[in-house]
Amino acid sequence: AQSVTQLDSQVPVFEEAPVELRCNYSSSVSVYLFWYVQYPNQGLQLLLKYLSGSTLVKGINGFEAEFNKSQTSFHLRKPSVHISDTAEYFCAVSQNTGGFKTIFGAGTRLFVKA
Amino acid sequence: KAGVTQTPRYLIKTRGQQVTLSCSPISGHRSVSWYQQTPGQGLQFLFEYFSETQRNKGNFPGRFSGRQFSNSRSEMNVSTLELGDSALYLCASSLDLSYEQYFGPGTRLTVT
Repeated sequence: AQSVTQLDSQVPVFEEAPVELRCNYSSSVSVYLFWYVQYPNQGLQLLLKYLSGSTLVKGINGFEAEFNKSQTSFHLRKPSVHISDTAEYFCAVSQNTGGFKTIFGAGTRLFVKA
Repeated sequence: KAGVTQTPRYLIKTRGQQVTLSCSPISGHRSVSWYQQTPGQGLQFLFEYFSETQRNKGNFPGRFSGRQFSNSRSEMNVSTLELGDSALYLCASSLDLSYEQYFGPGTRLTVT
């Protein structure tokens, strides 16, 4: 069975500092990986996705993530964060079972301080 | 292109009642998934529909059900509501096999 672990529940960081949000997954088959962001009182918005090909994936708002198959990780990074990046970030794993069954991590609350 | 819409946005019900939530996917999207989001359990997958057929189901009791219409709009129903059903219910749509989901703003259900 697939599972997703986000290693940090909260990450406080100062504005303009770099940040890494960690995500590990387990699955017995090939997976597709995603990072979503959720702002207060809103739904989720896709930041980036890995389906195949290059292991370094660039997304919106300056975020990027690297797929590491041997370590089963998909960590999210941003070189310089802004106050507006304060939100909840979710790592998700999906596999082709003839349809969708996406499993989300518990989320990481990124708090950017001035 | 209009995004995923969910109605109503907020709902208050009492224990034992039933509720129906509605989701209109992005035009052209045939897959609709439903999730329950709570502070304690996070995001949990309820079910996924494609072309009016349920393809996948999460680990929820039979009180939770759904359906999809020929225009891809979807509804989910929760019967005999319990206090623990209080949550944000999110709907997401996608083109089949693209795996990229677009989420609606959610329906916040409060059960008293």
